[in-house]
Amino acid sequence: EVQLVESGGGLVQPGGSLRLSCAASGFTFSSYSMNWVRQAPGKGLEWVSYISSSSSTIYYADSVKGRFTISRDNAKNSLYLQMNSLRAEDTAVYYCASRGVFGVVPDYWGQGTLVTVSS
Amino acid sequence: DIQMTQSPSSLSASVGDRVTITCQASQDISNYLNWYQQKPGKAPKLLIYDASNLETGVPSRFSGSGSGTDFTFTISSLQPEDIATYYCQQYDNLPPAFGPGTKVDIK
Repeated sequence: EVQLVESGGGLVQPGGSLRLSCAASGFTFSSYSMNWVRQAPGKGLEWVSYISSSSSTIYYADSVKGRFTISRDNAKNSLYLQMNSLRAEDTAVYYCASRGVFGVVPDYWGQGTLVTVSS
Repeated sequence: DIQMTQSPSSLSASVGDRVTITCQASQDISNYLNWYQQKPGKAPKLLIYDASNLETGVPSRFSGSGSGTDFTFTISSLQPEDIATYYCQQYDNLPPAFGPGTKVDIK
């Protein structure tokens, strides 16, 4: 069974940092490019970042560029998102998602982890 | 950046009805378009990719069409389990962009 399980969310003060993790199982993680997608409470979906299977290619949304860093460890079947200088507008459920965001199937998503930035 | 619009923003229909949602891109995206279904409290689920290709396991009552800037998503016979918000998303250009969503419920 394919699983993507996010962790690391929580409450953080503005300006603080948080590191999200996504543990993958049930598929060949090292062959899949991966993404982070977020959804603010009651709002739509926003793509955040992309990393290729070998980590050679990385993209970010302008809204997080310079503050967030995506990475992966294929030996541990894990994806990460280091979030620094957090702002109230970063409050959202963060999903790890596989390559379907770029139209490549099959597509897998985690259940999401909530990040709340508030004082 | 490419902007995506959807209409309507919400709709109510009866079980068995044909439901149609439209999506428009601010510039030509060829057929690089996904459709997702998201149920409350759940992750999005990819239904259609490349504008018209059904993801494996997705019921055939779902379909998509279009190319360029104008796209259509159809549920041929609405079922109670189809209650959800539906999003289009382009992947022709970075950044990938989602439409604002269409909330579908039962009349």
